[in-house]
Parts: sequence; C-alpha cells; structure tokens
Amino acid sequence: AQSVAQPEDQVNVAEGNPLTVKCTYSVSGNPYLFWYVQYPNRGLQFLLKYITGDNLVKGSYGFEAEFNKSQTSFHLKKPSALVSDSALYFCAVRDRGLTGGGNKLTFGTGTQLKVEL
Amino acid sequence: DTGVSQDPRHKITKRGQNVTFRCDPISEHNRLYWYRQTLGQGPEFLTYFQNEAQLEKSRLLSDRFSAERPKGSFSTLEIQRTEQGDSAMYLCASSLVAGLSYEQYFGPGTRLTVT
Repeated sequence: AQSVAQPEDQVNVAEGNPLTVKCTYSVSGNPYLFWYVQYPNRGLQFLLKYITGDNLVKGSYGFEAEFNKSQTSFHLKKPSALVSDSALYFCAVRDRGLTGGGNKLTFGTGTQLKVEL
Repeated sequence: DTGVSQDPRHKITKRGQNVTFRCDPISEHNRLYWYRQTLGQGPEFLTYFQNEAQLEKSRLLSDRFSAERPKGSFSTLEIQRTEQGDSAMYLCASSLVAGLSYEQYFGPGTRLTVT
C-alpha cells in the first residue's frame, strides 16, 4: 500500500529565509507525487506535481519540490518565505487502487508552516 | 467561479438524522472524488466516480454512506443515521484524466458536526 510521511508537524521560518517542508513516500511502481496547501476553513489548493522528467519541479507562488528516487523523498522548497505562506501543507502520492487504474490520493498528516517577521 | 463547489458549507445535525451533501465539479472533469478529513489528519479517500460509474469505495465507507453521480455531473454523498464519529470535513475533488494531468482540484468542503 502507498504511504506518505511528513515527519514535522510544524516548521517555523523567518520571512525572507529559505524554507523546506519534508516528505517521504512508499509506493509500488512509479511514484506520482503532489503538494497541496490548505488555508483555514478552505479546501486544498494544488501547488505542484512530479509525474516524470526533471527531478526539480516548479509550481505556484514560487514553490518548488525536489524528487529524489534513491531517498524516496519529495521535499517542498521556497527560496524566500513570505508571511502569507503560513498554512498547512500536505504531501500526497497517487494510489493506483484495487483496479490498478485508480487515481485516488494518499495524503500525509500535514505540516503547519509558520513564517514570522 | 469555475472551481469545485460544495453545498452546504456547514451542517449541524443530531445523531441519528440523515444528511446529504452536494458537489459540483469543474465542468469538463470526468472524475469526481470524495474524501473525509478530521482534525490533525490529511484527507482520507472515500470513493470516486468516472463519469456516472462509481469505480471504487474505501473500507471507510460503511453501509450508512452512499454516493451517487447520476448524470456524470454533480454528485451527492448521503450519510444515514449519523453518528458522532461522522463529524468531519467532507471534501470533494475533480480531475480530468488526460495525458499527464493527474492533479485533483478540491472544493471548499462541507463541515459536518453531529451532536
């Protein structure tokens, strides 16, 4: 079964500093990986994905993520954090499901990012 | 707004009552998903549809839960005889299965409180 681990419940960073939110995964077959962000009382917003190709993928709002197959990791990064980046971040992996053709997502437990002035 | 919409946004009900939630996906999307999210957890998959066919259901989806997507457009999720453990955020998502487009787009959710 697919699984995702986000080892940090919370990450604190000063505005202007680089940020990293960690994610490791376990899948059978090729991993399809995603990052989502959730603001209070709102649904999840898609940030970026890795399907194939370049290991460094760029997404919305200046975020990027690095896929590392040997370490089974997909860490989210941003060179310079903003206070407005403060939110709950979820890593997810595509789960092919029982039929092998499914597209459901298995999520980690989330990491709360707090960016302070 | 052409995103995923859900109705109602909040629902408070008494234990034992039935509730129904609606999801309107992005219009050209052929897949629709339901997830449940409890406090401090990531969303957990419940079920999904491709067009009007329900293709997979999680073991989390007890027989008190039923979902439909009658014309391959909007979907409803009904919970019968609600229990306090059903209190959660119910999220709907949709996606277009084409090429390498696997990302799902989520609605704002329906927060259910069972008293």
